[in-house]
Amino acid sequence: SQQGEEDPQALSIQEGENATMNCSYKTSINNLQWYRQNSGRGLVHLILIRSNEREKHSGRLRVTLDTSKKSSSLLITASRAADTASYFCATETNTGNQFYFGTGTSLTVIP
Amino acid sequence: DTEVTQTPKHLVMGMTNKKSLKCEQHMGHRAMYWYKQKAKKPPELMFVYSYEKLSINESVPSRFSPECPNSSLLNLHLHALQPEDSALYLCASSQVIWTGRSPLHFGNGTRLTVT
Repeated sequence: SQQGEEDPQALSIQEGENATMNCSYKTSINNLQWYRQNSGRGLVHLILIRSNEREKHSGRLRVTLDTSKKSSSLLITASRAADTASYFCATETNTGNQFYFGTGTSLTVIP
Repeated sequence: DTEVTQTPKHLVMGMTNKKSLKCEQHMGHRAMYWYKQKAKKPPELMFVYSYEKLSINESVPSRFSPECPNSSLLNLHLHALQPEDSALYLCASSQVIWTGRSPLHFGNGTRLTVT
């Protein structure tokens, strides 16, 4: 079963705008990760945030984690057409050592 | 380009065929995974190998049979599949099992069609 629910399911923005996607999960976690998947390709790891961290940056990516609300957000700033992809959050639970992908957000960046 | 190589990229097979999917990594990773992904859905875990031993089988039907001949190779043997098994099959690896210590590295998958 899936641990994470992402919203929105689909997002369409103009190049240069910021894109924000959210992930909510159900049980306590060790860490939360974000992956990108281009159409028909494998997933690529973007960033990992641990349960004791609140915010993390990597280039144009900013991830926040609120363990009290069991939610995370991924912000992509100054989006580019090449950012068009599906984005999945993934959580490693701290009970039973399980790992789940969320439902995903499909991002389209219009040039 | 990915450091996890999957072959073939595409496979069409009949319900009576036997075929195999192959996955290879040379990053020294000791955990390897098979995932199944349907269109517009997240990957679903099928099997996990840790140090060449099957660690997790997510109640996958026996028509899917995994094999880990050595630390670099992972196979998925297919037999008597159903049309609903058509999907993108993804292989992944990580330094050790699960990803709190290292992220998953994915191959580009095998697009399987069962006719």
